[in-house]
Amino acid sequence: DAKTTQPPSMDCAEGRAANLPCNHSTISGNEYVYWYRQIHSQGPQYIIHGLKNNETNEMASLIITEDRKSSTLILPHATLRDTAVYYCIVRVAEEYGNKLVFGAGTILRVKS
Amino acid sequence: GAGVSQSPRYKVAKRGQDVALRCDPISGHVSLFWYQQALGQGPEFLTYFQNEAQLDKSGLPSDRFFAERPEGSVSTLKIQRTQQEDSAVYLCASTAPPGQGVYEQYFGPGTRLTVT
Repeated sequence: DAKTTQPPSMDCAEGRAANLPCNHSTISGNEYVYWYRQIHSQGPQYIIHGLKNNETNEMASLIITEDRKSSTLILPHATLRDTAVYYCIVRVAEEYGNKLVFGAGTILRVKS
Repeated sequence: GAGVSQSPRYKVAKRGQDVALRCDPISGHVSLFWYQQALGQGPEFLTYFQNEAQLDKSGLPSDRFFAERPEGSVSTLKIQRTQQEDSAVYLCASTAPPGQGVYEQYFGPGTRLTVT
């Protein structure tokens, strides 16, 4: 799987948008961008994924650049409960049984 | 509905002891994954089951690690002769069958293993 690069940590004020970047310059045409997060003492939680179009769900928005070499996860109104480690993962298609390859992720601290 | 559950949540073992960690996936999920997460790092893949078949065990770090899922539901990860470097959180995840939406993995809370 292609590797991703994320900043080690970020701070965000409560109520403001949190924009988490991810570089994946070697992504292949059939690889999706997935985002998971891990709140302290819990297992990772799926947030969103996309191929090349921007995606939005009830948790977040995913913006993928036209060349697909980078993406940004947006939490529109961050709350204290969004404090977590956020992982950007690229993964071949939506293959059944395809393992996740995690990097170090970005520690997001939401502050009041 | 109920999520993925794991037991025990915490386990302390003396070096050399054998341990068994249990995972109960979401009902109906045929794919099951085990991951190992060392302190301060992201999870690392250990092994994967589709029903009772272990299709990928490339991530198991040594032959002391053994996983099974005999009836295609509950899975057990066994570590023999534990060593201090086995101290980590062991995470289990399951995925819905094909055709039931996004192939996201649903994770359990993990078992924190400490080897003294």
